[in-house]
Amino acid sequence: KAGVTQTPRYLIKTRGQQVTLSCSPISGHRSVSWYQQTPGQGLQFLFEYFSETQRNKGNFPGRFSGRQFSNSRSEMNVSTLELGDSALYLCASSSLGTGINEKLFFGSGTQLSVL
Amino acid sequence: QQPVQSPQAVILREGEDAVINCSSSKALYSVHWYRQKHGEAPVFLMILLKGGEQKGHDKISASFNEKKQQSSLYLTASQLSYSGTYFCGTVGRTYNFNKFYFGSGTKLNVKP
Repeated sequence: KAGVTQTPRYLIKTRGQQVTLSCSPISGHRSVSWYQQTPGQGLQFLFEYFSETQRNKGNFPGRFSGRQFSNSRSEMNVSTLELGDSALYLCASSSLGTGINEKLFFGSGTQLSVL
Repeated sequence: QQPVQSPQAVILREGEDAVINCSSSKALYSVHWYRQKHGEAPVFLMILLKGGEQKGHDKISASFNEKKQQSSLYLTASQLSYSGTYFCGTVGRTYNFNKFYFGSGTKLNVKP
């Protein structure tokens, strides 16, 4: 069974540009959640999609948005990039969505550098 | 609702033991543990549910005390392969759906 696939692996952008990241979950998983990882901050929750609907979102500005397609693949978009957006962006898939007894399967992430 | 982990970093020699703690100010129904090696994706280790149970994964075990709202991860006779950053995660609820909160991580470095 293929794992969670994130593309691209690395991205370099300049301030003001926009970027789209992609995540393909494990086959059969309907939930995709996104996290921002920066040194010292751990994993900060961005949002979760389940069956094409956003279920929950974290405390990030509206420049961060996402969507999920009917095949459960998800995209995350960041518009008007700022230097502080430089981070590793991880997506995780799960069968039933975030739950007290539901484990997450993470992709290797997209390392975004904003210059 | 982000759980607090301690210590932030640990350096060990092979064969030594370590304990990583995770505590929350909110009531906990479960605690999740993940390990992330440098440049890799976080990998699931275990989930502990309410009930004070302990779980094990190789020589890594954990306990969960819901009354104290904390969990501890025990690494026994550490191996080089244990090096990485360990995250605990807790589940909270907002907008009628669950949401994951991760601690800031504990960086473990096992040296020969």
